[in-house]
Amino acid sequence: AQSVTQLGSHVSVSEGALVLLRCNYSSSVPPYLFWYVQYPNQGLQLLLKYTTGATLVKGINGFEAEFKKSETSFHLTKPSAHMSDAAEYFCAVSGNNNNDMRFGAGTRLTVKP
Amino acid sequence: KAGVTQTPRYLIKTRGQQVTLSCSPISGHRSVSWYQQTPGQGLQFLFEYFSETQRNKGNFPGRFSGRQFSNSRSEMNVSTLELGDSALYLCASSPTLAGGRGQYFGPGTRLTVT
Repeated sequence: AQSVTQLGSHVSVSEGALVLLRCNYSSSVPPYLFWYVQYPNQGLQLLLKYTTGATLVKGINGFEAEFKKSETSFHLTKPSAHMSDAAEYFCAVSGNNNNDMRFGAGTRLTVKP
Repeated sequence: KAGVTQTPRYLIKTRGQQVTLSCSPISGHRSVSWYQQTPGQGLQFLFEYFSETQRNKGNFPGRFSGRQFSNSRSEMNVSTLELGDSALYLCASSPTLAGGRGQYFGPGTRLTVT
């Protein structure tokens, strides 16, 4: 069965600092991996996804993630945090021929001025 | 393109009642999935519909059901509501069944059961 684990339910950074949100996956087959962001009282917005090919994936709003098979990781980074990045972030994995997406528990990002 | 729309955005129901939630996917998307989001359980997959057929189902009781119409719009029904059904219900659409395309989420319907 596929699953993801997000390390750290809450991450706090200063504005301008590096953002690092950690995600490890478990999958018996090459996974499809995603990062989503959720702002209060809203649905989820797709930040980026890894399917095949280049292991460094660039997404919207300056975020990127690197797929590391040897570490079964897919950590999300952003070089410089903005106040507007404060939100909840979810890592997710899905199978090859279905959209049964399994989400991590989420990481709430706080950005301090 | 218009995004995924869900109606209503907010609902208050009483225990024992039933409720129907509606979802309109992005134009051209044929897969619609439903998720339940709660503080305790997080995001949990309910079911996925494609071409009017349920293709996948999560671990939820039979009180939770859904359907998809020929125009890809989908409805989700919960019968005999329980307090624990209070949650944000999210609908997501995707062009195909292939998991790698990613899903696009609507704003959700917040259901409160009293």
